[in-house]
Amino acid sequence: DTGVSQDPRHKITKRGQNVTFRCDPISEHNRLYWYRQTLGQGPEFLTYFQNEAQLEKSRLLSDRFSAERPKGSFSTLEIQRTEQGDSAMYLCASSSDGDQPQHFGDGTRLSIL
Amino acid sequence: QKEVEQNSGPLSVPEGAIASLNCTYSDRGSQSFFWYRQYSGKSPELIMSIYSNGDKEDGRFTAQLNKASQYVSLLIRDSQPSDSATYLCAVNPSYGKLTFGQGTILTVHP
Repeated sequence: DTGVSQDPRHKITKRGQNVTFRCDPISEHNRLYWYRQTLGQGPEFLTYFQNEAQLEKSRLLSDRFSAERPKGSFSTLEIQRTEQGDSAMYLCASSSDGDQPQHFGDGTRLSIL
Repeated sequence: QKEVEQNSGPLSVPEGAIASLNCTYSDRGSQSFFWYRQYSGKSPELIMSIYSNGDKEDGRFTAQLNKASQYVSLLIRDSQPSDSATYLCAVNPSYGKLTFGQGTILTVHP
């Protein structure tokens, strides 16, 4: 069990640029979740997958955000035309089932200049 | 009303004392509940999960759940300075996403 892996750990970009983050879940976990966390707040749900199917998307996930999990293994989260308000920690988690504990990766910290 | 509310902090306790962290939730149909610990600049780390009414103990940690009162708590016995962190209560209302509280900052002073 190597844990949830996220890449990159930090991303600094200019406003208006596109960014893509990657998440590799725990190998036997079929559920993968994306959350966003800003300073002083708890993580906020963005979207989740069961295998390759995207089952739920938050209203926080504007049309600039897209997530994929093409083969039911790793997932990518893309943000197009980044804005200052996108600066946050983006967290990925995985679980073996819907009611089982979710285990988080180290996160990707995004800073928009 | 927020979906998940935690007692406002920060909470400061002396080393060796019991720290008590509380959480209420609004979705009465919620079935699974979790406590995470988050150190500054790090990601959340699972401490406890609880699914049934009553107490669940794991080492120095005890989680308590009362579904009728929509209340979850975490007790940390013999608190250590290394327990100083933000504690996040998370509720799973629909076998999918977690809904988190805003977190309670705990400081254990020597």
